[in-house]
Amino acid sequence: AQSVTQLDSHVSVSEGTPVLLRCNYSSSYSPSLFWYVQHPNKGLQLLLKYTSAATLVKGINGFEAEFKKSETSFHLTKPSAHMSDAAEYFCVVSDSGYGGSQGNLIFGKGTKLSVKP
Amino acid sequence: DGGITQSPKYLFRKEGQNVTLSCEQNLNHDAMYWYRQDPGQGLRLIYYSQIVNDFQKGDIAEGYSVSREKKESFPLTVTSAQKNPTAFYLCASRHSSPYNEQFFGPGTRLTVL
Repeated sequence: AQSVTQLDSHVSVSEGTPVLLRCNYSSSYSPSLFWYVQHPNKGLQLLLKYTSAATLVKGINGFEAEFKKSETSFHLTKPSAHMSDAAEYFCVVSDSGYGGSQGNLIFGKGTKLSVKP
Repeated sequence: DGGITQSPKYLFRKEGQNVTLSCEQNLNHDAMYWYRQDPGQGLRLIYYSQIVNDFQKGDIAEGYSVSREKKESFPLTVTSAQKNPTAFYLCASRHSSPYNEQFFGPGTRLTVL
């Protein structure tokens, strides 16, 4: 069975400082992993995805994530936070790809990122 | 513009009433999904459909129903059997190829009065 754990429910940073949002996953085979962002009362937007190619994945708005199989982690980082980054972030694992076919997503409970001026 | 639309954005319902939430996509995606979002719980899958005229229950299907008569449309009915329907509902779609992500609509906020 697959699962996702986001280790922090809330992260607060100052504008211009680095962002680290932590995510661990559990999967019985090579997973597809995603990070989505959600601004208040909006739908979810894809930031980046890992699909067994490069382990360091670059996404939109300066975000990137590194897939570490030995640590079963997929942490999201950004070198310098901007006020517009304040939102909720979801780490997601999919049963799609090698070994799975439904494309169903399993969501973490989310990390709310606050950015202080 | 290609995308997913959901209507209405806000919906108010009296207890005991059924309501239907609309979801339409023009991305030519085969698969469509409905999720429910509650604060601090992430998203939970209600129903999904891989092809027209076929759909499967997700993790929390009780009190909900769907139909998939057209590829571009996947309406969700919240019935009076759903005990706690107040939530934010999100529709998504996906092309049926491996590794493809889901694209989300803007959501409908349902409040039961």
